Amino acid sequence: ETGVTQTPRHLVMGMTNKKSLKCEQHLGHNAMYWYKQSAKKPLELMFVYNFKEQTENNSVPSRFSPECPNSSHLFLHLHTLQPEDSALYLCASSQGLAGITDTQYFGPGTRLTVL
Amino acid sequence: AQKITQTQPGMFVQEKEAVTLDCTYDTSDPSYGLFWYKQPSSGEMIFLIYQGSYDQQNATEGRYSLNFQKARKSANLVISASQLGDSAMYFCAMTYGQNFVFGPGTRLSVLP
Repeated sequence: ETGVTQTPRHLVMGMTNKKSLKCEQHLGHNAMYWYKQSAKKPLELMFVYNFKEQTENNSVPSRFSPECPNSSHLFLHLHTLQPEDSALYLCASSQGLAGITDTQYFGPGTRLTVL
Repeated sequence: AQKITQTQPGMFVQEKEAVTLDCTYDTSDPSYGLFWYKQPSSGEMIFLIYQGSYDQQNATEGRYSLNFQKARKSANLVISASQLGDSAMYFCAMTYGQNFVFGPGTRLSVLP
């Protein structure tokens, strides 16, 4: 596997379900990100991790719970979601966090539908 | 607050012609990076090109070039010799400090 991978690619869940999204990067990067992309809205940064430590939480509801066990893996645990949470969830990674040259590389995304 | 503006929601271009996608940004930080990404219908965000605020020359990557006009705070993407596979959403983005912000995107359609 190369680059950034995400599983599953598609997920349909009910509002009472609990599910997790997984992201893995094979680039040797130290920073990882979760973004939400809703229809007709700009990309929204949700969480940022640098060397496994969370550095950013952009007022995301507690029904989204991130976990970063190491620099290569990032999870997004979902529970009691709402229909408006339906969106494309993108994971990204970058070499570092503080440099203006730190390009983010994205995974293919998980398309989530909440019924 | 730092902001990215892409004024063209949609653009059409004939195959093999060149097209310019507009991007303006707003920041008071002297150090920043500018990026362009392509997002096909499959959803993956693909990195295309980077320009640093201190770079003297415009960035180029194959058929992509970035027309960087610092005083006007613009970073337009030029795609030469458009191909059908270039049809996608294109996002301009900026990094400053530990922040990363995306524009709303431009949908490019390449016509045969």
